[in-house]
Amino acid sequence: DGGITQSPKYLFRKEGQNVTLSCEQNLNHDAMYWYRQDPGQGLRLIYYSQIVNDFQKGDIAEGYSVSREKKESFPLTVTSAQKNPTAFYLCASSLDRGPEAFFGQGTRLTVV
Amino acid sequence: GQNIDQPTEMTATEGAIVQINCTYQTSGFNGLFWYQQHAGEAPTFLSYNVLDGLEEKGRFSSFLSRSKGYSYLLLKELQMKDSASYLCAVNALNYQLIWGAGTKLIIKP
Repeated sequence: DGGITQSPKYLFRKEGQNVTLSCEQNLNHDAMYWYRQDPGQGLRLIYYSQIVNDFQKGDIAEGYSVSREKKESFPLTVTSAQKNPTAFYLCASSLDRGPEAFFGQGTRLTVV
Repeated sequence: GQNIDQPTEMTATEGAIVQINCTYQTSGFNGLFWYQQHAGEAPTFLSYNVLDGLEEKGRFSSFLSRSKGYSYLLLKELQMKDSASYLCAVNALNYQLIWGAGTKLIIKP
């Protein structure tokens, strides 16, 4: 079955530690995205990538980093520079400029 | 700036009809999406409008007026499982998705 997989679903980390969230897709989509969702707010774009080895900052990229070494994979690292990292993180993919984005199940990150 | 406005919360009765409105102001327009999101889960695609008019898909319909910067999602024959947040998103300049904050729909028996 084709789809987009995020892992883990729940993640706990101590303040000051970097943490990497996984996102894998087997839909052969060119574009991949990372969003952050906080209660009562819409999805906010962190980073996106339209092609392998290329990615662009979104609206709230500070404190985050990504890589796109393979078409299937777009991991997100939440660094210690992110001031308020506790949130629900969603990865999505789409055909390049395609109308529909497919989402992973999300990762709820809690920093204590 | 760019913004999308939706009501924060709505309440409706099982079996009834509800209309969720969305107004937008964006740089560029390449289509408008509606997604459904149950608590703690990922959004799932409901509809996509790029031309003016009504698109019907089963119990759900979506309407778009580009001149007014306005869309609505119409849900008929409401079921308890329709309790969720409904997100409006616009495919704007450079095909970037701009998201509304979502409307939490509460269905009562």
